[in-house]
Amino acid sequence: DAGVIQSPRHEVTEMGQEVTLRCKPISGHNSLFWYRQTMMRGLELLIYFNNNVPIDDSGMPEDRFSAKMPNASFSTLKIQPSEPRDSAVYFCASSLGGQGNNSPLHFGNGTRLTVT
Amino acid sequence: DQQVKQNSPSLSVQEGRISILNCDYTNSMFDYFLWYKKYPAEGPTFLISISSIKDKNEDGRFTVFLNKSAKHLSLHIVPSQPGDSAVYFCAAATTGTASKLTFGTGTRLQVTL
Repeated sequence: DAGVIQSPRHEVTEMGQEVTLRCKPISGHNSLFWYRQTMMRGLELLIYFNNNVPIDDSGMPEDRFSAKMPNASFSTLKIQPSEPRDSAVYFCASSLGGQGNNSPLHFGNGTRLTVT
Repeated sequence: DQQVKQNSPSLSVQEGRISILNCDYTNSMFDYFLWYKKYPAEGPTFLISISSIKDKNEDGRFTVFLNKSAKHLSLHIVPSQPGDSAVYFCAAATTGTASKLTFGTGTRLQVTL
């Protein structure tokens, strides 16, 4: 069981640059989530997909953030242009989700983003 | 607006003693609650959950208690072990929204020898 795989583990970039974070969910899981962790706000849900379709993106902070899930085994979170306040740890998680299903989330090890 | 609150950012407990981590929530629609444990440089891992139809759920050394009237839940770890030292996140969801969880800000538990 490979678990949820995220890349890169660390990303350091300059303000204004585009950043792309990648995620491979657990095979067979049909829900995928992007979370952001900061000291002040803890883990915040940015967006989640069910069967590759975005279901709720109300947590995406600004238009600078976008996420895609072109197939069941891959998702990206893009920030363009990046700003220093975007510095955080970004987690991807997957689950056997669905209506009324309380399957726990399985998290990747996160991408630590630093924007200077 | 934090719908799930963990008011203690840190807690230190001696090995062998009981650790009690607390969590409060404001959204009365939440009916499913979970605890996740997180080690440094790793993602959170699922620990234990409880549905609102119960007031207690036990799994080995870990017990979660739910007080719906007070909108409060707690995680008890007995006995505490050094390997339990981690950040613990409380999370809540509404049945029907599947795994869309709302997390608290976490409590860092340090179990000392």
